[in-house]
Amino acid sequence: DSGVTQTPKHLITATGQRVTLRCSPRSGDLSVYWYQQSLDQGLQFLIQYYNGEERAKGNILERFSAQQFPDLHSELNLSSLELGDSALYFCASSVASQGTGELFFGEGSRLTVL
Amino acid sequence: KNEVEQSPQNLTAQEGEFITINCSYSVGISALHWLQQHPGGGIVSLFMLSSGKKKHGRLIATINIQEKHSSLHITASHPRDSAVYICAAPTSGSRLTFGEGTQLTVNP
Repeated sequence: DSGVTQTPKHLITATGQRVTLRCSPRSGDLSVYWYQQSLDQGLQFLIQYYNGEERAKGNILERFSAQQFPDLHSELNLSSLELGDSALYFCASSVASQGTGELFFGEGSRLTVL
Repeated sequence: KNEVEQSPQNLTAQEGEFITINCSYSVGISALHWLQQHPGGGIVSLFMLSSGKKKHGRLIATINIQEKHSSLHITASHPRDSAVYICAAPTSGSRLTFGEGTQLTVNP
């Protein structure tokens, strides 16, 4: 058990819909990272928050947004969903603000867009 | 060319064999991560290293910063080691770039 909790584990929705994925980091970790893993593109970094502030942005689409709340949990919002958004979405947490701290991954949220 | 590259992409071994997975990167980095992803999809961090060598049980990770190369070794491999092994490096600040992964299958 990594200590990182992601919900929901599975989600099936239709094109055009909006979903919210939630991540609770490990106790004491200030950084939350979001990653997308699709079959054709492997793992890709989406966005990082550190102590409530956006820290780094990767290949995140404009239809996607995220935030980190005062209790440090984070949400990833995906809107106007397309078939190609079907993927595993992972969050990870770390003590460090840079990419040099050990990462603890959640079990992932599997999104299927029909 | 990807900033982080792994080889081989697929590896099949017999139980007990010594396994090596390689990772090379093209930019200066401060640390490198080795991750394991099981068939169910979950990802576990195996190592984070910035120099030298780390060992955990039958797993050994080494890194040569000058040569921009890291290796993950598994000694006395076991079928339960079957998984995808991924190296990742912070190529720009905290933005991790991932290798494509190595699918390891260990047969009994």
